[in-house]
Amino acid sequence: GAVVSQHPSWVICKSGTSVKIECRSLDFQATTMFWYRQFPKQSLMLMATSNEGSKATYEQGVEKDKFLINHASLTLSTLTVTSAHPEDSSFYICSATTGVTGELFFGEGSRLTVL
Amino acid sequence: GQQVMQIPQYQHVQEGEDFTTYCNSSTTLSNIQWYKQRPGGHPVFLIQLVKSGEVKKQKRLTFQFGEAKKNSSLHITATQTTDVGTYFCAAGSSGDKLTFGTGTRLAVRP
Repeated sequence: GAVVSQHPSWVICKSGTSVKIECRSLDFQATTMFWYRQFPKQSLMLMATSNEGSKATYEQGVEKDKFLINHASLTLSTLTVTSAHPEDSSFYICSATTGVTGELFFGEGSRLTVL
Repeated sequence: GQQVMQIPQYQHVQEGEDFTTYCNSSTTLSNIQWYKQRPGGHPVFLIQLVKSGEVKKQKRLTFQFGEAKKNSSLHITATQTTDVGTYFCAAGSSGDKLTFGTGTRLAVRP
C-alpha cells in the first residue's frame, strides 16, 4: 500500500514557541491531505483538509491562525502549531488518499507536549 | 454536523470469544470504512463498504453495511490477542472527507 511518513514522531517544546510537523506521501502524489488531532482514548477529530496549491479548509472551531497548514507540493503538507500552549498537547496525525480507492493512508503521528 | 457513534465504547473478551462493534450514523452515507488502531500506533485501513446491505469478509472479520446505509458492523470470530486495539468506523458523505466514529476499544484476555 501507499506510504505516508510523518515527522517528528515526538516533540517537546516550551510554551509560546512554534512547532512544525511534516507529512509526506512517499510513493504517491497526494493532492489532498488531512490533519487530525487525537486525545488519549478518543477518536480522531478532523482539523483541516490540506489542498495542494491552495488554502486549507478548516473544520468549525479550529483556529486557522493557530494551526497553519501549507501544502506546497504534491508530496508534502506541513502543520505549524503557532505559539503553542499546554492545551495544544496532543497526538497529531496526517493522512492522505491516492484518490483511487478512497482509502486513507495515515502517517505515524506526532506526539506534541507543550511545557 | 454529521455524528457517528459506535457501541460499545470498550469491550474486554476472553481469547476465543467473538466480538462485535456497531457503528451508527445520523445521516445516510455514501460509503463506510473501517480502521484499526493498535495502542500507540496509527489507524490502518481494513475495508470499505459501498453498497446497501453489503457484506464482506476478511478471514475472521465480517463487515456489514446496513440496508439504509446509516449503520455498519464489524464482527470478529474467535478473537486472538493480536486483535487488540481500537476499531473505528469512518463515514464518507462527499468527497474524500471522512468522519470517524467514536471507536470501540477491544481488550483480549489470553
